[in-house]
Amino acid sequence: DVKVTQSSRYLVKRTGEKVFLECVQDMDHENMFWYRQDPGLGLRLIYFSYDVKMKEKGDIPEGYSVSREKKERFSLILESASTNQTSMYLCASSLGQGAHNSPLHFGNGTRLTVT
Amino acid sequence: AQKVTQAQTEISVVEKEDVTLDCVYETRDTTYYLFWYKQPPSGELVFLIRRNSFDEQNEISGRYSWNFQKSTSSFNFTITASQVVDSAVYFCALSEPYSNDYKLSFGAGTTVTVRA
Repeated sequence: DVKVTQSSRYLVKRTGEKVFLECVQDMDHENMFWYRQDPGLGLRLIYFSYDVKMKEKGDIPEGYSVSREKKERFSLILESASTNQTSMYLCASSLGQGAHNSPLHFGNGTRLTVT
Repeated sequence: AQKVTQAQTEISVVEKEDVTLDCVYETRDTTYYLFWYKQPPSGELVFLIRRNSFDEQNEISGRYSWNFQKSTSSFNFTITASQVVDSAVYFCALSEPYSNDYKLSFGAGTTVTVRA
């Protein structure tokens, strides 16, 4: 089974802090994704990566950056956390080219609270 | 504009009842893919099904079935004889490979609660 592991289940940070969310997958998947999940809005794509050192903006990239130095690891960075970034963050990975080619495998999520 | 609409926010049923989750999508692409994912209380979304736009056959997998109708742009999901373990948030999603490659558009989700 594919395993996508997010380093923290719950995080509480202060406004203005730099926050790192880590995600590791163990199945050699090319593609990795960061989503945020908010009630009534479903999942919205923040950033994705289809190869090491490659990144593409999703629908809501403002206030975030990402890093993919190794194939198995995809980090989401909040440069200066704000209260409107309080949310559930979901990491996912998939094999092959294009989201339509294979299903996404998700981690358990990180619930981030910014106070 | 919302590409995927799940009009039902919450559904509550008693065990063994059937429950149908609606999903309406919007796209101009002729080739597209539709997905359903399940998010149990543990939080990890689990893939349930993928259907491409050229295959309108209904599909059944155990107690789960899906009804894809291009004429009404709908991809509805039915759980037959629901069980408590079916309690979860269910998401419908659309992938448009040519106009929006890699990016899944998710609906807002429908929370299903199955009571014993």
